[in-house]
Amino acid sequence: DQQVKQNSPSLSVQEGRISILNCDYTNSMFDYFLWYKKYPAEGPTFLISISSIKDKNEDGRFTVFLNKSAKHLSLHIVPSQPGDSAVYFCAVFYNQGGKLIFGQGTELSVKP
Amino acid sequence: DTGVSQNPRHKITKRGQNVTFRCDPISEHNRLYWYRQTLGQGPEFLTYFQNEAQLEKSRLLSDRFSAERPKGSFSTLEIQRTEQGDSAMYLCASSLGGHDGYTFGSGTRLTVV
Repeated sequence: DQQVKQNSPSLSVQEGRISILNCDYTNSMFDYFLWYKKYPAEGPTFLISISSIKDKNEDGRFTVFLNKSAKHLSLHIVPSQPGDSAVYFCAVFYNQGGKLIFGQGTELSVKP
Repeated sequence: DTGVSQNPRHKITKRGQNVTFRCDPISEHNRLYWYRQTLGQGPEFLTYFQNEAQLEKSRLLSDRFSAERPKGSFSTLEIQRTEQGDSAMYLCASSLGGHDGYTFGSGTRLTVV
């Protein structure tokens, strides 16, 4: 049973436009959510996070939105740049033990 | 500090052989995690240590897998009698216990032929 789901395996956008990556989760008790970016042959790197007590967190071109009633979060990248092309994972943080539960990832391709 | 270091970066082994991977975490981090990532999937939790104590193991960690962190610093992950299904990227991460500063290494890519 997949507790964190990213239903879009891939997304292609034009440079300068908005990229929207989506993630759904099953457990309303999760209280911390993160987005990671991964290039081939490298480990995931932290991008942005959000606590369940907030509905939005912004860091430069990256904004994460959390809809707790829908158990849904999204990552917006504006404007998208070719260097943003990577696989993006959403994850939830388990306070007990501190492990991360990841979604399957969405491969973003930003075309010049 | 150069972050989380994993060695080797790549390993090709024949089915049935044993392999061992090493992870050197960020020095002040007391927690160390192992994850496995297969094609088209996100990283999956395998096990974690707080200092030298192994506190949780996933059901994904069969009895052919063993992990150690003998002095609470570096960790090793050994796979005995490798199978083709063990082919994956093995990722190590370290943290101070919270979500801030949770840092991954570049991984070890294992191919079992």
